[in-house]
Amino acid sequence: GAVVSQHPSRVICKSGTSVKIECRSLDFQATTMFWYRQFPKQSLMLMATSNEGSKATYEQGVEKDKFLINHASLTLSTLTVTSAHPEDSSFYICSARTTGNSPLHFGNGTRLTVT
Amino acid sequence: GQQVMQIPQYQHVQEGEDFTTYCNSSTTLSNIQWYKQRPGGHPVFLIQLVKSGEVKKQKRLTFQFGEAKKNSSLHITATQTTDVGTYFCAGWTSGTYKYIFGTGTRLKVLA
Repeated sequence: GAVVSQHPSRVICKSGTSVKIECRSLDFQATTMFWYRQFPKQSLMLMATSNEGSKATYEQGVEKDKFLINHASLTLSTLTVTSAHPEDSSFYICSARTTGNSPLHFGNGTRLTVT
Repeated sequence: GQQVMQIPQYQHVQEGEDFTTYCNSSTTLSNIQWYKQRPGGHPVFLIQLVKSGEVKKQKRLTFQFGEAKKNSSLHITATQTTDVGTYFCAGWTSGTYKYIFGTGTRLKVLA
């Protein structure tokens, strides 16, 4: 149980275009989803917390207009990287939990390359 | 802001040797979780510790939560090549509603 599906797993896009990444909880309802960014050989940096039906809470230094997050249902959250630039190239991972401080269940991640 | 540091950053061990990673938070934690991330993979939940001084074991892995709930450790006995990966602690602070990940310890096991 507790499977989180993230798509796409890899995406290459040209500078200036937008990319949407989907995160779905397949067998549970995720009241909260988290979006992380991970640079090679580094830790997971929390970008934003997404709660169903409300605006996402962004961490300090994360541009909300650049990284648009939508959590339209209890099973789906999306991250859109708008007007992507090469410096946005990274590994993006979503995670979801059911309630409170329950364990996080991670998607497989999306490797974004902006050329 | 809250910081969660882990030491060491890297550790190379011979297969069969023991391994320990330490996690230290700048603030008191409500609970702490440990995750393992294999190379090229995503973090996988290992365990959660909630009580002060709590010790939990999973086969060759022993997890400990400090008395002050600001530090934790993961000890692996007799490492195997399958233990290779990066181990992260993640701390939850009451009122923040989010987990802050530690800096991670990358373990390599030499056969």
